[in-house]
Amino acid sequence: QQPVQSPQAVILREGEDAVINCSSSKALYSVHWYRQKHGEAPVFLMILLKGGEQKGHDKISASFNEKKQQSSLYLTASQLSYSGTYFCGTSDTGNQFYFGTGTSLTVIP
Amino acid sequence: DAGITQSPRYKITETGRQVTLMCHQTWSHSYMFWYRQDLGHGLRLIYYSAAADITDKGEVPDGYVVSRSKTENFPLTLESATRSQTSVYFCASSEYTPTYEQYFGPGTRLTVT
Repeated sequence: QQPVQSPQAVILREGEDAVINCSSSKALYSVHWYRQKHGEAPVFLMILLKGGEQKGHDKISASFNEKKQQSSLYLTASQLSYSGTYFCGTSDTGNQFYFGTGTSLTVIP
Repeated sequence: DAGITQSPRYKITETGRQVTLMCHQTWSHSYMFWYRQDLGHGLRLIYYSAAADITDKGEVPDGYVVSRSKTENFPLTLESATRSQTSVYFCASSEYTPTYEQYFGPGTRLTVT
């Protein structure tokens, strides 16, 4: 029940926007977003707990469509520091947790 | 040091040997997790623990054993290592349930020859 992320990779110029999608075949209770820099551990970005919930900090925000079992991560006016691999993670009402396969994001000057 | 630590950070072992990866957290978080990360598969849950003496299988538990006698420690043992277990292993913890933010350790890169 690993969620599917799209696109698998994206290259942006500084200042451009990007959207990363995460979809699941199972009903979702929560969606997490993490970013991982090369050679480092994943770092938490945000959690969305309710269908329709949107969250954001700085220029990174996310939405969660419970009915469609989808979440999207929005990065606006991208900065070089946004480069990394983004993972969504999903849980149902139990304790099982599944990460997506990741989206590699590269921001170039 | 406060936080979540893993040891060793790098390990090379031979096929058939037993190897134990250690995970220690100082927050007294209830939940702890073991993930493996492989190219093309992202992070996959091996085992998790809701509290001391309570463990359960994740997505890919075969070939692994865990125990949790103390809240702060969650070791992962490969009873007879195989080449397919070559991977980067991450330990993580969360305060209440997997629904809460997970904090990751720095990872252990394991190579089985």
